[in-house]
Amino acid sequence: QQQVKQSPQSLIVQKGGISIINCAYENTAFDYFPWYQQFPGKGPALLIAIRPDVSEKKEGRFTISFNKSAKQFSLHIMDSQPGDSATYFCAASGPYGGSQGNLIFGKGTKLSVKP
Amino acid sequence: DTAVSQTPKYLVTQMGNDKSIKCEQNLGHDTMYWYKQDSKKFLKIMFSYNNKELIINETVPNRFSPKSPDKAHLNLHINSLELGDSAVYFCASSQNTGLQETQYFGPGTRLLVL
Repeated sequence: QQQVKQSPQSLIVQKGGISIINCAYENTAFDYFPWYQQFPGKGPALLIAIRPDVSEKKEGRFTISFNKSAKQFSLHIMDSQPGDSATYFCAASGPYGGSQGNLIFGKGTKLSVKP
Repeated sequence: DTAVSQTPKYLVTQMGNDKSIKCEQNLGHDTMYWYKQDSKKFLKIMFSYNNKELIINETVPNRFSPKSPDKAHLNLHINSLELGDSAVYFCASSQNTGLQETQYFGPGTRLLVL
């Protein structure tokens, strides 16, 4: 059972364009939604995260938009740069307690930003 | 200084062998994790562990077992390796699981079972 669905699987964007990656979740107990960035040959690293008490969070060129009623959240990368080329994972977790606190990852989006 | 380190970086072995992957974190974190990333890049948690509790993903075969000699280390032992175990294994750590802290990932161990 895939609890976090991510799309698209791959994305090609021109330098300076906007990259948009979407995720949808099923478990209404989820209350933490991070995005991780992974470069080839490296481990994932936290990029930005949001909790459901806000609808948007912005850090530099990266913005998370969150729609609680639709159970969807998305990552927007403004002014995309070739250095942003990586695989992006959305994730979700529930409150502390047993396996609920573990991160459930989407299947990833491979972003390529063309110069 | 590497926050989360793993050894070896690459591991090539024969089916049926037993192998271990080591993980160390120097962040003073209370919780450590093991993840498996398959050929399609899908990341799936295998274990989460702190000094109080081991949480096992129910889909993980019992051939896989975590061993923690101390708070800074969580090693992964794999018995009777199978072809399907070929993947990249990531260790991660966080301050604790209660506050949904940032997880810091190691560089990964690329396991190939022949």
